Amino acid sequence: GAGVSQSPSNKVTEKGKDVELRCDPISGHTALYWYRQRLGQGLEFLIYFQGNSAPDKSGLPSDRFSAERTGESVSTLTIQRTQQEDSAVYLCASSLASGGGRTDTQYFGPGTRLTVL
Amino acid sequence: AQSVTQLGSHVSVSEGALVLLRCNYSSSVPPYLFWYVQYPNQGLQLLLKYTSAATLVKGINGFEAEFKKSETSFHLTKPSAHMSDAAEYFCAVRAFFTDFGNEKLTFGTGTRLTIIP
Repeated sequence: GAGVSQSPSNKVTEKGKDVELRCDPISGHTALYWYRQRLGQGLEFLIYFQGNSAPDKSGLPSDRFSAERTGESVSTLTIQRTQQEDSAVYLCASSLASGGGRTDTQYFGPGTRLTVL
Repeated sequence: AQSVTQLGSHVSVSEGALVLLRCNYSSSVPPYLFWYVQYPNQGLQLLLKYTSAATLVKGINGFEAEFKKSETSFHLTKPSAHMSDAAEYFCAVRAFFTDFGNEKLTFGTGTRLTIIP
């Protein structure tokens, strides 16, 4: 079946502009995660959705970052007034469920490479 | 809080030689541990995971990892390296939130594996 897809695959923007990154999880997966991968670094957790709600937003680096999820499917990560330090690969992952002691495998998309000039 | 440390950001081995990628964890609760692989321009793929069952875990592509509580380690090994193993490898630990029962993965900084012909 289809895996996690993300769009665009690459995005180049100017400092100060807003960007939207999209994630289409695997059908039926209720849990959705956003991570950021800066060059030469590991993955940083940004935000987690269970269904349409986001119980954990602890990783969002600033109030310029926001995310939403509609219909327990597509999620968008929005970065307002982008800064050069926002340049990174943004990865989305989904899993069947999360919580209650379950550890369902997270399946990752190919990522969106964001470059802020 | 849970964390992982990957020793060696770059590892080079000859084709046919043993692959050993090191990961040490820190966790206040019994951990769930994961190894992911990232091929160039692709998303992360789960290699294997430890979820408190057998301490020796076998994964895809001939990789395996052993959970050693006394050493707080979860090193990844493969007896004989293949050219196709060249990739970046990430160790991760499950961080568990008791309030919502939700989970996220905390990743190491990654180890880039190069195979020498």
